[in-house]
Amino acid sequence: QVQLQESGPGLVKPSQTLSLTCTVSGGSISSGNYYWSWIRHHPGKGLEWIGYIYHSGSTYYNPSLKSRVTISVDTSKSQFSLKLTFVTAADTAVYYCARRATTGWYFDLWGRGTLVTVSS
Amino acid sequence: QSVLTQPPSVSGAPGDRVTISCTGSSSNIGAGYDVHWYQQLPGTVPKLLFYANSNRPSGVPDRFSGSKSGTSASLAITGLQAEDEADYYCQSYDNSLSVVFGGGTKLTVL
Repeated sequence: QVQLQESGPGLVKPSQTLSLTCTVSGGSISSGNYYWSWIRHHPGKGLEWIGYIYHSGSTYYNPSLKSRVTISVDTSKSQFSLKLTFVTAADTAVYYCARRATTGWYFDLWGRGTLVTVSS
Repeated sequence: QSVLTQPPSVSGAPGDRVTISCTGSSSNIGAGYDVHWYQQLPGTVPKLLFYANSNRPSGVPDRFSGSKSGTSASLAITGLQAEDEADYYCQSYDNSLSVVFGGGTKLTVL
């Protein structure tokens, strides 16, 4: 079955760029049936949608993060990536990659998540 | 704070019926957007529990039910079991062009 796996540094210094990659296995990232998403979970708080990308490269971002976020896709590697610039301690969170069906605004498959801590 | 409002915690004894509310506004739930629910068991990733207000993915017990009315939605669990102890999140879409989540509700089985 399809699986998602996040990878990337667990520690990022303030003002630097957070970079994460999600590898899709067991299925095609080029399927026209899904958007590929990033969501984060701040410690002790709720979930926050960051954005998602279609296999064609079309992107949709949370307006509150849009100025700092870039999501890209590499269909040849079956991967999509997140870059978040000028990070602060407020960006410390567990970052999940997830799959969103084109038929509805819900996320039916999640990766295991990776904790990213912003600290000097 | 989160765009959708959920009670921070609810509790019940085994066998009880509990409900978790999710309150939005005219720009999200009230605008007609569907509500979806996720269950996050301790130490695991969020799992889709309901989509489009009341639709259960395969494998979700029918002890769980979802509903939506006006600017709110509810998740109900009947015949509460110890294994239901988890965090529950609601999610919808907002006219601000953003996916929005609730702050989460911790369900404790007494």
